[in-house]
Amino acid sequence: DTEVTQTPKHLVMGMTNKKSLKCEQHMGHRAMYWYKQKAKKPPELMFVYSYEKLSINESVPSRFSPECPNSSLLNLHLHALQPEDSALYLCASSRTQDSGYGYTFGSGTRLTVV
Amino acid sequence: AQSVTQLDSHVSVSEGTPVLLRCNYSSSYSPSLFWYVQHPNKGLQLLLKYTSAATLVKGINGFEAEFKKSETSFHLTKPSAHMSDAAEYFCVVSPYFNKFYFGSGTKLNVKP
Repeated sequence: DTEVTQTPKHLVMGMTNKKSLKCEQHMGHRAMYWYKQKAKKPPELMFVYSYEKLSINESVPSRFSPECPNSSLLNLHLHALQPEDSALYLCASSRTQDSGYGYTFGSGTRLTVV
Repeated sequence: AQSVTQLDSHVSVSEGTPVLLRCNYSSSYSPSLFWYVQHPNKGLQLLLKYTSAATLVKGINGFEAEFKKSETSFHLTKPSAHMSDAAEYFCVVSPYFNKFYFGSGTKLNVKP
């Protein structure tokens, strides 16, 4: 298995809703990442988990809450989002945090906040 | 300071003609360099990577890139464009541990 699987592919949520994005990989990678990508822009790093521990939080608002329950799974819990949070959310993984290996990206969750 | 500059926001070529996507970087370290491709409404796929081995790197789908330290460049090329190559391409520099810097992207259009 050489894939990063993200679910759901599309999500529409209201500003008072609570929802979660899920990311899964079975490549034995020990670093996992959340990126946010706005239209016509490059991805922006949000969070990094290394060996199931949060190692980087790029000053992301608390309405985004990451969770890494085990080495294969990464969640992003969403609460009280704003319309400007609408974007493509990409999950990625790498063998370790040594960036020389490069990342494997999932196909993303297209989030729309109404 | 670290930065990545993709010199063209849009490139348009005819099918069967060569592709050149330009990337210059600035890094205080000996970086790892990557090219990723993103098709519409899809995630990013790794095309190729340079990690201080051979300066000419071959990737998937016939793409290759040459690392030129003296010019701080890592341009992506393909001898003959195919319609399926139409996508957004990102040059990425990783100067050190777990830091990725994305270029602003180049949109490649392939005309029949």
